[in-house]
Amino acid sequence: DTGVSQNPRHKITKRGQNVTFRCDPISEHNRLYWYRQTLGQGPEFLTYFQNEAQLEKSRLLSDRFSAERPKGSFSTLEIQRTEQGDSAMYLCASSPSSPGQYGEQYFGPGTRLTVT
Amino acid sequence: GEDVEQSLFLSVREGDSSVINCTYTDSSSTYLYWYKQEPGAGLQLLTYIFSNMDMKQDQRLTVLLNKKDKHLSLRIADTQTGDSAIYFCAESSYSSASKIIFGSGTRLSIRP
Repeated sequence: DTGVSQNPRHKITKRGQNVTFRCDPISEHNRLYWYRQTLGQGPEFLTYFQNEAQLEKSRLLSDRFSAERPKGSFSTLEIQRTEQGDSAMYLCASSPSSPGQYGEQYFGPGTRLTVT
Repeated sequence: GEDVEQSLFLSVREGDSSVINCTYTDSSSTYLYWYKQEPGAGLQLLTYIFSNMDMKQDQRLTVLLNKKDKHLSLRIADTQTGDSAIYFCAESSYSSASKIIFGSGTRLSIRP
């Protein structure tokens, strides 16, 4: 296992279209996170899964955003009716949940979304 | 609310030590992190420190935590060109252990 992977790496879409991103976490990690990073800023938390359960959602996650992790392995993040303000890097991270280790989140390379 | 602040830029001469500073506001912070981001790459966890520690050393990296002043620093000894990157300070707490709050990042540039 070489780490967290994300697909696609780049996505260009027109405003109003729907997009879906995929994240494959490190195989033994049962926690999965989505973040968004805009230019010149640090990542901002969007949502978090423990196995297949979505346990926390940020206020940043509007109704147009939905995330799933149906089998507790990979996750998808869908954005409906994209807007130009959605242009950002979408980062996925995973972590183990062993005591003392939950703080270690390992990030994937991200999916860069450009909405034209 | 929670906030993490750090200076935007730092320039050091190759071979010197780099010190990147960070302040945070959440007094319930449990973990404090330093992540590195190189162009086109994801975030790499460099090191982290528990809030009950005041120092952690890992090869060329030294993390100092002043919990009273809510100040965290990362020292990179013998800075090399490969250390050029953006360094993010971040924190998480037991109250919301799932999410990490990041600063805006410090861009470290190395001059010959």
